[in-house]
Amino acid sequence: AQSVTQPDIHITVSEGASLELRCNYSYGATPYLFWYVQSPGQGLQLLLKYFSGDTLVQGIKGFEAEFKRSQSSFNLRKPSVHWSDAAEYFCAVAGANNLFFGTGTRLTVIP
Amino acid sequence: ETGVTQSPTHLIKTRGQQVTLRCSSQSGHNTVSWYQQALGQGPQFIFQYYREEENGRGNFPPRFSGLQFPNYSSELNVNALELDDSALYLCASSPSGRAAKDTQYFGPGTRLTVL
Repeated sequence: AQSVTQPDIHITVSEGASLELRCNYSYGATPYLFWYVQSPGQGLQLLLKYFSGDTLVQGIKGFEAEFKRSQSSFNLRKPSVHWSDAAEYFCAVAGANNLFFGTGTRLTVIP
Repeated sequence: ETGVTQSPTHLIKTRGQQVTLRCSSQSGHNTVSWYQQALGQGPQFIFQYYREEENGRGNFPPRFSGLQFPNYSSELNVNALELDDSALYLCASSPSGRAAKDTQYFGPGTRLTVL
């Protein structure tokens, strides 16, 4: 069965510092993987997705993620974090007709 | 292109009552999915509708039911509310029935509190 693990519940970084949010998935075949961001009072916004091909995926707002099959990982990165990046981040893997989400990582950005 | 909208924003009910949550999908999107997000958790799949037919269901009891209408609106109905039903309910629309590859566009959610 599909599942997603996000090992970090809460991460704090300084503005301008680099960021990496971890995601591990469980899926038998080639997965379809997604990163979503959720700001308070907002719905989920898609940052990026991986279906196949190049394992380094570029997304919106300067985010990127790298698919590593050998490690069953799809970590999200950003070279320089902005205060507006503070939010909850969810990694998800697609099932037959739905998404399986991790429990999320809350990002705090300090000035 | 309009986004996904949901109503109401917040709702308070008491245990045993029934509730209806509403969603308006993006125009042209034939698929709508509903998710429950408990506090501190990721969204959990409730069910999906494609062209007004249920197209998949998660591990939720039958008291969770839905409808999808031809005008891209949909409803989530929950009967016999329990305290554990308190959560943020998210609606997501996507353009086709191939939801595994489709991008799902989420609404802002309805916060349901059951007392």
